Amino acid sequence: NAGVTQTPKFRVLKTGQSMTLLCAQDMNHEYMYWYRQDPGMGLRLIHYSVGEGTTAKGEVPDGYNVSRLKKQNFLLGLESAAPSQTSVYFCASTVRPYNEQFFGPGTRLTVL
Amino acid sequence: RKEVEQDPGPFNVPEGATVAFNCTYSNSASQSFFWYRQDCRKEPKLLMSVYSSGNEDGRFTAQLNRASQYISLLIRDSKLSDSATYLCVVTSDSGTYKYIFGTGTRLKVLA
Repeated sequence: NAGVTQTPKFRVLKTGQSMTLLCAQDMNHEYMYWYRQDPGMGLRLIHYSVGEGTTAKGEVPDGYNVSRLKKQNFLLGLESAAPSQTSVYFCASTVRPYNEQFFGPGTRLTVL
Repeated sequence: RKEVEQDPGPFNVPEGATVAFNCTYSNSASQSFFWYRQDCRKEPKLLMSVYSSGNEDGRFTAQLNRASQYISLLIRDSKLSDSATYLCVVTSDSGTYKYIFGTGTRLKVLA
């Protein structure tokens, strides 16, 4: 099992460009999450999903959109990137609420 | 007040020392509690879940005090490889399925 994988690992964007980050898990987990981690801020929840076809906003959703068309995939989109979105993005999944979360290796995004 | 608060450290300790971290949380309805370990530029990984009765895993002991709303992590006989950031994680109250992360406590074990 690969666990949770994220694509790409690194990306540099110019302000105004768009991109999609892909998170995939092979553990048949229902719940999936997108976080961003900035120095001194800890992990902050962007969006999450409690099952295929569902999404919900987290703590910092502005500027991001998500989709969960298939149970194993959770996509995070940036429609018009801004320098404030420079961060490390982590995806996580869990089999049921309040259980251990499993994290992907992260995507390091720089917006110039 | 932050929902989950940790001392950011760094805690610099010699090999073999015992070190303890505390974490306080604000939501008395929180259901689950965890300690995660995060190495530099890597993803967080579960160190241990924290139960009301306290639990131990080798050199690591975790405790939960619901009345005072804090959890603790004790590391005995510190190793160089224990150097990392330790994240306290608390789940939100039922129905929102969210996990709240502390900003982490940095530990550096010195030779």
